[in-house]
Amino acid sequence: GQNIDQPTEMTATEGAIVQINCTYQTSGFNGLFWYQQHAGEAPTFLSYNVLDGLEEKGRFSSFLSRSKGYSYLLLKELQMKDSASYLCAVQDSNYQLIWGAGTKLIIKP
Amino acid sequence: IAGITQAPTSQILAAGRRMTLRCTQDMRHNAMYWYRQDLGLGLRLIHYSNTAGTTGKGEVPDGYSVSRANTDDFPLTLASAVPSQTSVYFCASSEGSGGNGYTFGSGTRLTVV
Repeated sequence: GQNIDQPTEMTATEGAIVQINCTYQTSGFNGLFWYQQHAGEAPTFLSYNVLDGLEEKGRFSSFLSRSKGYSYLLLKELQMKDSASYLCAVQDSNYQLIWGAGTKLIIKP
Repeated sequence: IAGITQAPTSQILAAGRRMTLRCTQDMRHNAMYWYRQDLGLGLRLIHYSNTAGTTGKGEVPDGYSVSRANTDDFPLTLASAVPSQTSVYFCASSEGSGGNGYTFGSGTRLTVV
């Protein structure tokens, strides 16, 4: 079966760095996405990785290793507004997105 | 309209009633999707449409139907609602295969009682 695993919840301190991991087993691979979802709101697109390596976008970076079925989202200089759920999703061989259950990130002052 | 508009925002529905959730986009995206999101579970695909005039079944299609008469509109119909269909429903769209990400509507919170 297809499976996306990510931690249920993480806590970090304002100003610090946090890494959210995602491992996947899917039927084929056509890219991995990270989305941010604030409580009661729609998911918003953060990043897309299709090749191995690190993609940096301001305070957020995303890493992919296809051979290990592994990705992480790195958030630097954490701000209170970063408190949200972070969703990992993999596009399978049919270009359908398979979603993880999300990681709830709690930022403490 | 900018992006995707969903209606209604929330609804309480009696079991057995028929309900259509509306979704309209103004980005001329070819592909559109309906997801449901339940606590502790990832987003699950109900139905999708790769282009106007075509639709396909996702992971959890039973009890739901869709149509795609034109590029902009992608309504989701619950023919006879049941309590297990209580969920938050998101409509999304993407350009091509989605490498630029999916754009989501603000969601419809549906409670079936």
